This record gives sequence, C-alpha cells and structure tokens, in this order.
Amino acid sequence: AQTVTQSQPEMSVQEAETVTLSCTYDTSESNYYLFWYKQPPSRQMILVIRQEAYKQQNATENRFSVNFQKAAKSFSLKISDSQLGDTAMYFCAFMKQGGNKLVFGAGTILRVKS
Amino acid sequence: DGGITQSPKYLFRKEGQNVTLSCEQNLNHDAMYWYRQDPGQGLRLIYYSQIVNDFQKGDIAEGYSVSREKKESFPLTVTSAQKNPTAFYLCASSIDWTGAFYGYTFGSGTRLTVV
Repeated sequence: AQTVTQSQPEMSVQEAETVTLSCTYDTSESNYYLFWYKQPPSRQMILVIRQEAYKQQNATENRFSVNFQKAAKSFSLKISDSQLGDTAMYFCAFMKQGGNKLVFGAGTILRVKS
Repeated sequence: DGGITQSPKYLFRKEGQNVTLSCEQNLNHDAMYWYRQDPGQGLRLIYYSQIVNDFQKGDIAEGYSVSREKKESFPLTVTSAQKNPTAFYLCASSIDWTGAFYGYTFGSGTRLTVV
C-alpha cells in the first residue's frame, strides 16, 4: 500500500517570500502521479499542480513549482512571492498508474503573514 | 457554471440515526468519490463509483453505504453502524475513470456532527 507523509504540520511565511512544503511517499510502483491540493478556509479543495513520475522535468504553475526527486521519493512544493490568499491547508496526494484512488497525506497548514 | 454541489453544509445526527449526504455534479464526469476528512489524518476514501449502478468500497467503508442510480448523483448514507461519524465529508468527481490526468474536482463539503 502506498503512503504519503507530510512532516510539517504547520508553517508560516511572510508575504512576498518563498516557502517550501515537504512531501515524501512510499511506493513500489514505477509509474504514478503526484498532486498538490490546496484547501483554503472555505474548505473547497483546489488542484494546485500535478506531476507525472515518468517526466523528469518539474511541473510549474505560475508561482507554484515542485521539486520531484523520484529516487528519494520526494515531492516538495515551492510557493514563490507568497500572497495572503495562499493561506490554506496543503495536501500532497499520490495515485499509481492504473489506480483508482488518490492517497492523501495528513496536510500542512500554511499561514502567510503580512 | 459546472461544479459539484454538496448538501447540506452542516448536518446534525442523533445517536442511532441514519443520515444521507447529497452530492450532485453537472460536469458530466464519469467517476465520483466520497472522502472523509479528520484533523491530522488527511482525507480517507470511503467509496467510489466509476460508472452508473456500480461502486466500490474504499479504505473505510464500514458503516457507510452509497448508490449511483444516475451519473450526476452519488449520495452517501452514514448508518448507525458508523461508530464515530463526526467528520467533514468531501465528494469529488473526475472526468476519466481514475482522475490521474486531470485530478479531482471537489465539492465544498458537509460537516456532520453527532449530538
């Protein structure tokens, strides 16, 4: 069974600064997909970014980018130029190729301070 | 606008009662999912359905039941057999059977409290 670990329960960052959220996972699969979801205080889950394991290039979406280290089974999320609206719970999630469910980590609460 | 609608937003259940949480989507997505969210545990899969009239148990299906009579609807019933039902429940859907390519679209959730 796959597991996803987010070792930082809470983090804070000053507005306009950069922050990195950590995620590690455990799997014996060679092909899989990784995701970061954001859950703001409204509790609506929003997809932030997605990475395919067979792609070496790290995914980027505007101010959000990932550092995908397949050998280390690490998938960290970097948020640049943090904004107050980035304040949310962030979840890392894993899906194996051919799988039918997302496996989520416990989440990291990020607070952006002005 | 297309999306997923969950109702009610807040629900209170007495001991021994069954309650049903509604989930409706107008995205024409094939697959639908129910997750339970507890503090410090992330999201755990309860049930999922990839096609009408078919559904599969997730990791924590005990004490829950679902139906998928229409593509748009995937209601979740929390039965009296669920010993610790107080949680936040999220419904999701995906355009393809797995959600691997485009991820999931989530509803805004239902907070269930046992009183």
